Amino acid sequence: GAVVSQHPSRVICKSGTSVKIECRSLDFQATTMFWYRQFPKQSLMLMATSNEGSKATYEQGVEKDKFLINHASLTLSTLTVTSAHPEDSSFYICSAPPGGYDTQYFGPGTRLTVL
Amino acid sequence: KQEVTQIPAALSVPEGENLVLNCSFTDSAIYNLQWFRQDPGKGLTSLLLIQSSQREQTSGRLNASLDKSSGRSTLYIAASQPGDSATYLCAVNQGAQKLVFGQGTRLTINP
Repeated sequence: GAVVSQHPSRVICKSGTSVKIECRSLDFQATTMFWYRQFPKQSLMLMATSNEGSKATYEQGVEKDKFLINHASLTLSTLTVTSAHPEDSSFYICSAPPGGYDTQYFGPGTRLTVL
Repeated sequence: KQEVTQIPAALSVPEGENLVLNCSFTDSAIYNLQWFRQDPGKGLTSLLLIQSSQREQTSGRLNASLDKSSGRSTLYIAASQPGDSATYLCAVNQGAQKLVFGQGTRLTINP
């Protein structure tokens, strides 16, 4: 089946620093990718839709200047958490739907801990 | 605003039992509904996808049903095994592939 990877799997950073998370579709092209956030024992919440070659669209309540998204190619989207604070600590997961299919493939997630 | 609710939040059963997980959603205008499995600290694995025009889908020991008009879906797991222990999430697609997830049911199968 289709594979989506994320890097890094875990990151610990100090408050105020920026962290970049990569999401790659390994065996298919994805014009659209999605970024979700999952707090402990809660469900996934869609943060934004990453669009190749154009600006990302953000869900209500998500700060676009804090969560920078770049969809540089048909296989790579990056999420940068700028000036991270402890409340940004969460599990970030990306997903990508292969073109023409309804199923989405999810990455393994990135655990961000901000000290 | 679409809301997805899963009941129960947690379930523990002995190995070999058949079980049903429930999912309800408030807005019936959906394109499809998916059931996912999530192991601790891991990403999601898609189990079954039901289109809005379908009533059910089956894969091995799993059967998912959809009653769009009443806003309900069930995931039936037959002959449960310890390896089935995980959190099960249902998600509805309201268009543009945007998924709204339920809180999940944490399933434990006891040997």
